[in-house]
Amino acid sequence: KNQVEQSPQSLIILEGKNCTLQCNYTVSPFSNLRWYKQDTGRGPVSLTIMTFSENTKSNGRYTATLDADTKQSSLHITASQLSDSASYICVVSARTGGFKTIFGAGTRLFVKA
Amino acid sequence: DVKVTQSSRYLVKRTGEKVFLECVQDMDHENMFWYRQDPGLGLRLIYFSYDVKMKEKGDIPEGYSVSREKKERFSLILESASTNQTSMYLCATIPDSHSGNTIYFGEGSWLTVV
Repeated sequence: KNQVEQSPQSLIILEGKNCTLQCNYTVSPFSNLRWYKQDTGRGPVSLTIMTFSENTKSNGRYTATLDADTKQSSLHITASQLSDSASYICVVSARTGGFKTIFGAGTRLFVKA
Repeated sequence: DVKVTQSSRYLVKRTGEKVFLECVQDMDHENMFWYRQDPGLGLRLIYFSYDVKMKEKGDIPEGYSVSREKKERFSLILESASTNQTSMYLCATIPDSHSGNTIYFGEGSWLTVV
């Protein structure tokens, strides 16, 4: 069964600290993995997208890694800011004839001063 | 920038009412989607559309229908709203192919059914 599991469910960190969010998936055949940031009450916004051949992708202070062998991805946030407080959603797409995209439940990050 | 507009951000409806959620995109994308998002669950696909007047069921289509009369507009319809349809509804669009393309989301429509 195609699944995307994210951990932790929620995380509280101090401003300026780094953190890493995890995503494990069983989606097959794998096509790509995306990380989205969703501010409270808003729609998700794309941070990174990685295909099978890519193992790291950066977007400012956000760095995503992908290990297609172990089917794991991580999102590392460096020098966190208060504005990083949001939900981070891992999204994995399967390479099929039609549309097959599985969303993780998200990690809720709280950055406090 | 791609703009996906959901006309209703917050709605409160009574059980049994017919509800229309409208979504408009301005980038001539062929593919449009309706998802619902509930706490602790990932986004779940309700319906999607490849083209005008074309629609396909997603993972949870029961209790919903859709309409795509024009390329830029994709409507989600709840024929008879029920309390278990209280949720956040997200419209999304993709340029041409699901694989390798960013999904663009609207801001979401919060629906409460009482």
